[in-house]
Amino acid sequence: NAGVTQTPKFQVLKTGQSMTLQCAQDMNHEYMSWYRQDPGMGLRLIHYSVGAGITDQGEVPNGYNVSRSTTEDFPLRLLSAAPSQTSVYFCASSYERRLGGGYTFGSGTRLTVV
Amino acid sequence: AQSVTQLGSHVSVSEGALVLLRCNYSSSVPPYLFWYVQYPNQGLQLLLKYTSAATLVKGINGFEAEFKKSETSFHLTKPSAHMSDAAEYFCAVTPPGSSASKIIFGSGTRLSIRP
Repeated sequence: NAGVTQTPKFQVLKTGQSMTLQCAQDMNHEYMSWYRQDPGMGLRLIHYSVGAGITDQGEVPNGYNVSRSTTEDFPLRLLSAAPSQTSVYFCASSYERRLGGGYTFGSGTRLTVV
Repeated sequence: AQSVTQLGSHVSVSEGALVLLRCNYSSSVPPYLFWYVQYPNQGLQLLLKYTSAATLVKGINGFEAEFKKSETSFHLTKPSAHMSDAAEYFCAVTPPGSSASKIIFGSGTRLSIRP
């Protein structure tokens, strides 16, 4: 049971480039989300999904797109990378949208935009 | 609106000493509360959670936390620190029954253990 798998683990982009961060879970979790982690700021929600075909914006959605075509996959797309998007990105999933059981997190993608 | 405050961005204790990491919340209703641990270069892992059952919650690795409504606190403790406890710890809060998108994470406390 792999849990939540994120790829790549590290990435360096040039300003203006686009890329997709991959996230897959094998626990049949209904709820998935993307967070970014910056020093001293905890985790901030970018986008989330309550099920296949349903997505919504979180606290800091600008510059990012998501889609949820299957229960398992929830990719995060950076449309035109900016240095302000240098961060560590975490994908998380929960078996229920009300979070009684807590989140399962992936191991993260460390992104640097130069 | 709910919020969570972790007092102390960095806590250092000696091996074998008591660990106390502080978390205070602000919420209009008794919330669900969580503690997560993050080891270097890893994702967050759930340590324990309070979801309106027993106020003293026991988690993994010998940690526990007590929900105190009168103090709006959910401090994390461990009687005897081990070197392997060195990590960053996050407190999180969400209104019960609400969407997972409403969870708010604290800014984190980095725990260092002195030999």
